[in-house]
Amino acid sequence: QVQLQESGPGLVKPSETLSLTCTVSGGSISSFYWSWIRQPPGKGLEWIGYLYYSGTTNYNPSLKSRVTISRDTSKNQFSLRLNSMTAADTALYYCARDSGKYYFLGAFDIWGQGTMVTVSS
Amino acid sequence: QSALTQPASVSGSPGQSITISCTGTSSDVGNYNYVSWYQHHPDTAPKLIIYEVSNRPSGVPDRFSGSKSGNTASLTISRLQAEDEADYYCSSYTSSSYVLFGGGTKLTVL
Repeated sequence: QVQLQESGPGLVKPSETLSLTCTVSGGSISSFYWSWIRQPPGKGLEWIGYLYYSGTTNYNPSLKSRVTISRDTSKNQFSLRLNSMTAADTALYYCARDSGKYYFLGAFDIWGQGTMVTVSS
Repeated sequence: QSALTQPASVSGSPGQSITISCTGTSSDVGNYNYVSWYQHHPDTAPKLIIYEVSNRPSGVPDRFSGSKSGNTASLTISRLQAEDEADYYCSSYTSSSYVLFGGGTKLTVL
């Protein structure tokens, strides 16, 4: 079955750029919508954005100016870049697949285990 | 864009039913049938339990049901079991083409 695994640094300095990668196994990223979602400690979930297999992206307006989601089809991976990091960006970051194969449902049926990112000098 | 409004906590005894509400606006819950619900146990990934307001993914027990009226969606869990104790989140597609989550509800099984 399809599995997702996040990877990246656990610690980022303020003002620096976060780069995370999600490796998809058991299936291809050349279909479906692929999202990043985060959860600050003790808080709720926040959708960051998605990448469609065609390369189309869509971002949360609150983060749009700082976010880029891209893909590497040869490695079956998609990535998140979030620049100008602050303490408010400290969170557990998940990658997830939307269950809608041809259109975005906003229903995430497969999730990675999440990777904790702390912003601190 | 504020989060969808959920009660911070609900509780119930085994065998009982509980309902968690999720209130949005006419720009999200009220205008789209793309409302989802997730069950989140500590140290695990969230699990999709309801999509498109009332559909259950394969493997989700029929004790879990969803509905919507106006700007408010609801998740009902019938015949509560101890393993249902978790955080529950709703989400909705919005008119600005992004996904908005609720603040989460902690379910305690007494």
